[in-house]
Amino acid sequence: DTGVSQDPRHKITKRGQNVTFRCDPISEHNRLYWYRQTLGQGPEFLTYFQNEAQLEKSRLLSDRFSAERPKGSFSTLEIQRTEQGDSAMYLCASSSESLGTGGAGANVLTFGAGSRLTVL
Amino acid sequence: ILNVEQSPQSLHVQEGDSTNFTCSFPSSNFYALHWYRWETAKSPEALFVMTLNGDEKKKGRISATLNTKEGYSYLYIKGSQPEDSATYLCASPPLVFGKGTRLSVIA
Repeated sequence: DTGVSQDPRHKITKRGQNVTFRCDPISEHNRLYWYRQTLGQGPEFLTYFQNEAQLEKSRLLSDRFSAERPKGSFSTLEIQRTEQGDSAMYLCASSSESLGTGGAGANVLTFGAGSRLTVL
Repeated sequence: ILNVEQSPQSLHVQEGDSTNFTCSFPSSNFYALHWYRWETAKSPEALFVMTLNGDEKKKGRISATLNTKEGYSYLYIKGSQPEDSATYLCASPPLVFGKGTRLSVIA
């Protein structure tokens, strides 16, 4: 297993375009998380999946943001009608957690290298 | 919404100095605290997972302590080296991360 992979690593787009990021987690990890990170800030939680179920999505920044994990393996994060304020690093992480812990997690998160979005 | 605070925001130390930073978190409903190290152009890398009040963990020259009753954790680096330069994040996982402490070790 090569860890958590994210693609693309860099994306430059024009305002108003749609973008999609992909994350391939560690294969045996059942949880997958998406974060946004802007300059000078820590990772900001967006959403997470336990297997294919999206258990928290209220932190997605607007209805232009959506995420899927259709088969409980890879996940995609889509941003529609991008705005300049969407420019950021989008991080994916995965972990292995038992059911019933709610949103909490005692096991380490393994992060991908991130996808950097620049909206012109 | 839980708030995790880290201080200082940044720190410059000389090679060989020992240093420490603080992570503060709400003590109610505590579950776990994570420390991560994030080097520029790399992924955040887990350092410690701490769950029990009074926990002390060590990894080489880096160690951490946890006080869940008062809601803080300290990260210590003994004999800082230039390769320790990174941002150190604490998190009340997985939802809330602090802004990090950016450490620069000057040779």
